[in-house]
Amino acid sequence: EAQVTQNPRYLITVTGKKLTVTCSQNMNHEYMSWYRQDPGLGLRQIYYSMNVEVTDKGDVPEGYKVSRKEKRNFPLILESPSPNQTSLYFCASSRGTANEKLFFGSGTQLSVL
Amino acid sequence: RKEVEQDPGPFNVPEGATVAFNCTYSNSASQSFFWYRQDCRKEPKLLMSVYSSGNEDGRFTAQLNRASQYISLLIRDSKLSDSATYLCVVTRSYNNNDMRFGAGTRLTVKP
Repeated sequence: EAQVTQNPRYLITVTGKKLTVTCSQNMNHEYMSWYRQDPGLGLRQIYYSMNVEVTDKGDVPEGYKVSRKEKRNFPLILESPSPNQTSLYFCASSRGTANEKLFFGSGTQLSVL
Repeated sequence: RKEVEQDPGPFNVPEGATVAFNCTYSNSASQSFFWYRQDCRKEPKLLMSVYSSGNEDGRFTAQLNRASQYISLLIRDSKLSDSATYLCVVTRSYNNNDMRFGAGTRLTVKP
């Protein structure tokens, strides 16, 4: 089954404790992206990647890191999480050309205390 | 001003009603337009792309007005299962993969 797998689904952590949210897709997609969703603001792009070893900042990259060492994986790293990073996070992928639809993971609800 | 703006709603309509949502975008060079559907706290899923000539998929019709920079979604004969948040999505011209999402319009269809 074609899918984007995100883990964990829920995560509660404390300020400053490094964490990684994993994202993996099995569709051989070129493009992968991370978003955060906050009430009233919609989805905002954090980082995206057009291909292996190619990543770029989105609208809200501060406090986040990503890597794209393999085509299928695109982890999101929070080196020192803060409470303002409490949010619902989504990973997405697509074939990368214009008008291609995004396939989303099921989301990660992160709470930073 | 947000790049993509939607009326947040909520729209509460009875089953069988026709309901329309609008979305405005500020980047006149935007190239691609979509409507996604999101059920409560779940992942967004593509409902339909929006083409310049307008397009229809069953009970759903999408329109694009480039001159006025807005897109619309019309839902006819609303079903209970149409209750969801509808996200307007626009891609920037210089990077077709750099998508901008509206905050969503919430629809509740009641019996």
